[in-house]
Amino acid sequence: GQQLNQSPQSMFIQEGEDVSMNCTSSSIFNTWLWYKQDPGEGPVLLIALYKAGELTSNGRLTAQFGITRKDSFLNISASIPSDVGIYFCAGPLWDSNYQLIWGAGTKLIIKP
Amino acid sequence: NAGVTQTPKFQVLKTGQSMTLQCAQDMNHNSMYWYRQDPGMGLRLIYYSASEGTTDKGEVPNGYNVSRLNKREFSLRLESAAPSQTSVYFCASSAPGRSNEKLFFGSGTQLSVL
Repeated sequence: GQQLNQSPQSMFIQEGEDVSMNCTSSSIFNTWLWYKQDPGEGPVLLIALYKAGELTSNGRLTAQFGITRKDSFLNISASIPSDVGIYFCAGPLWDSNYQLIWGAGTKLIIKP
Repeated sequence: NAGVTQTPKFQVLKTGQSMTLQCAQDMNHNSMYWYRQDPGMGLRLIYYSASEGTTDKGEVPNGYNVSRLNKREFSLRLESAAPSQTSVYFCASSAPGRSNEKLFFGSGTQLSVL
């Protein structure tokens, strides 16, 4: 079935560093979504991508819809402490308007 | 400014006990969802309600029941809790159309079953 694989699983970052993470699947997705979850809260949608090759920014965050439609990338430039949290990719189940498949998440941790 | 409100925030149950998790949204959204989140895993859909009066199973429905009480409220019931149901539960809602992908989440219920 459809699955999403996120990497890395976790990252230690220093303030000011750029961050890259990705999400891959063996299946084609028509939509890629990136959510962020702060500790103790539910996820919040950051960026939605709808076309292969699409590049979309939200402040310091930039996400890309891979050309093969089997992957997506999220970059964070000049990270700040409030960027810590878990970043999830998600995409719609191919035969459902209501069900999303979620990756396991990339956890961002600030180096002390 | 409430959005999606879940209660309770924390709950400890003994195996075999029952409980209901409550969820309400004030955004006039048609669709509502219940997810569970386990360590190292993504969110998994338990049940969803596309609109008032309808409910459907998601990926992991066994051991749960739901009720869409009205457009605002969607509850999740555990009839006989099991340790495997220890998890963080999230309720979410979405507006119709492509916005079904834009989910608004509550802040979660941390449930432990001993």
